[in-house]
Amino acid sequence: QVTLKESGPALVKPTQSLTLTCTVSGFSLTSSGMRVSWIRQPPGKALEWLARIDWDDDKFYNTSLRTRLTISKDTSKNQVVLRMTNMDPVDTGTYYCTRETFRSGVDHWGPGTLVTVSS
Amino acid sequence: EIVLTQSPGTLSLSPGERGTLSCRASQSVDTGYLAWYQQKPGQAPRLLIYAVSSRATGIPDRFSGSGSGTDYTLTISRLEPEDFAVYYCQVYGRPNTFGQGTKLELK
Repeated sequence: QVTLKESGPALVKPTQSLTLTCTVSGFSLTSSGMRVSWIRQPPGKALEWLARIDWDDDKFYNTSLRTRLTISKDTSKNQVVLRMTNMDPVDTGTYYCTRETFRSGVDHWGPGTLVTVSS
Repeated sequence: EIVLTQSPGTLSLSPGERGTLSCRASQSVDTGYLAWYQQKPGQAPRLLIYAVSSRATGIPDRFSGSGSGTDYTLTISRLEPEDFAVYYCQVYGRPNTFGQGTKLELK
């Protein structure tokens, strides 16, 4: 059974950095075709794709947020980490960790974690 | 960078009716990697359709996807009460972007 679970702070202050961890089970981060993406959703708004790391360690970023994002993985812990710098209140929202496969799109989603940016 | 525009923004229909949701891309989706998701309040999205027209595991056959080039459609043949939700289209792989969503509401 594939599961993904996000963890991290619920509240961050403006200008601080956010670090979110996704712990996965039921699949290997190094299996061919496996990809983990972070997607966020401000309250009442649309989904926004942020970043992705592939089984071969290739990394891809939202072009608008590229300078603020870093994605990495620790295969020994089955974890993917997203770091976002210089947080702003507009970054408030639910952050989802997801699994994407080569052809099938985002087939599994974590429950999401709500991050609020406020002083 | 591909921009996806979904229409209409809100669609008001009754159970039993046919629902047709549109997704238009700013350039051709040459890879064919176009997906549709359903999201209900307080829940994570759920994959319905991938690669334009393939149904995900467990998705009822009243959901179907079609299209090519820049124009794509999600069709719900006969609406059930549980189908009223927000629907998103997405280009995945590389690049990766979502549309702004269509809210399917009860008339």
